[in-house]
Amino acid sequence: EPEVTQTPSHQVTQMGQEVILRCVPISNHLYFYWYRQILGQKVEFLVSFYNNEISEKSEIFDDQFSVERPDGSNFTLKIRSTKLEDSAMYFCASRGESNQPQHFGDGTRLSIL
Amino acid sequence: AQSVTQLGSHVSVSEGALVLLRCNYSSSVPPYLFWYVQYPNQGLQLLLKYTTGATLVKGINGFEAEFKKSETSFHLTKPSAHMSDAAEYFCAVSDENAGNMLTFGGGTRLMVKP
Repeated sequence: EPEVTQTPSHQVTQMGQEVILRCVPISNHLYFYWYRQILGQKVEFLVSFYNNEISEKSEIFDDQFSVERPDGSNFTLKIRSTKLEDSAMYFCASRGESNQPQHFGDGTRLSIL
Repeated sequence: AQSVTQLGSHVSVSEGALVLLRCNYSSSVPPYLFWYVQYPNQGLQLLLKYTTGATLVKGINGFEAEFKKSETSFHLTKPSAHMSDAAEYFCAVSDENAGNMLTFGGGTRLMVKP
């Protein structure tokens, strides 16, 4: 069964550095998402992406964050000038047409030191 | 705005007993509803979904959920718990008018005792 894959599984970064989290969505999917889960808290929506542009974003997704689909397969989340509170599990998800559920990757655990 | 409430952050059952995980939602439009399961160090795996049609939906691993509009609920059940069911379960609602972004509940950790 096709899967969403995320790399790396664990990223450790110094505060203030930039980090790029990578995702390969399921190949025929059209909609792409990033979520995060701070330890012990809810899974929170960050951003959705369709037709090469952001379709929705949450209040969390400020100027520190950006997303990109640089080629036909990858979908990246960039976090500039990381802060301690950016430490979380980041999940990528993708889905096909309307009514189809989102399929999630295994996540990237981001630790900011 | 949508919201999801899962009553009980921890639920413990004996192996073979009924599993009932509660979920109530708030949505201004007809909702799409989902249950996801998360095993340790893994991502979110879809258990089942409700979009339209039959209000009792069956999912993987013997789980099912019933959409009750009058109660704004979408509780997850399984007749007989298995040790392998121990995991965290998340209820979520999505809104077609907001890019189908998912709003999650706080999660319920299911523990299964032998």
